[in-house]
Amino acid sequence: QVQLQESGPGLVEPSGTLSLNCDVSADSFIGDQWWSWVRRPPGKGLEWIAEIHHGGTAHYNPTLWSRVTISVDRADKQVSLSLSSVTAADTAVYYCAKHRAFTFEVWGPGTMVTVSS
Amino acid sequence: QSALTQPASASGSPGQSITISCTGTYNDVGAYNRVTWYQVFPGKAPKLLIYDVDNRPAGISVRFSGSKSASTASLTISGLQTEDEADYYCNSYTTSNTYVFGTGTHVTVL
Repeated sequence: QVQLQESGPGLVEPSGTLSLNCDVSADSFIGDQWWSWVRRPPGKGLEWIAEIHHGGTAHYNPTLWSRVTISVDRADKQVSLSLSSVTAADTAVYYCAKHRAFTFEVWGPGTMVTVSS
Repeated sequence: QSALTQPASASGSPGQSITISCTGTYNDVGAYNRVTWYQVFPGKAPKLLIYDVDNRPAGISVRFSGSKSASTASLTISGLQTEDEADYYCNSYTTSNTYVFGTGTHVTVL
């Protein structure tokens, strides 16, 4: 069974850059695979942030694209997310998810990130 | 891109059926049969309920079913149970090679 585990700083200062990692269990990082990041601000709904193919092709939410970078490291079996110029509106639980076709099939437990000084 | 439109809440008594709508446009829900539904409990990660409009993953109860007409998808929960009280989100792939979630629906079992 695929296992995902997100990790992050917990607290980021406004205007800073948020960096998150998603560790993927070894037997999942093979084949033709897409990975996504999704977030859920407190009291609000889910928001898709970005996806990346293991070969490096990426797509971004048009409302966030100018601040987001998603990357994949096959050697370390990690999918990473960087979000710059953060504000309080970026406070959320951030999830990584493994795709099966156009479905977010498996999710990590999520990591809470608070933007505050 | 704008979030897909879902009712903020839905409710029913145990044993009843409820249907949650998910309205998009010809650029997302109406473009492909790539609509999924997720169940979210407080403090937990989303769980896949329905994929490709009307398919259930292994282990998902037959009480959950999906459908689509034009740019509106629907999730029906039959034989409502107290354990179904949760938030439900639809999601669609779009013609811009992105994904968009619905606004979310909180289901209450009366």
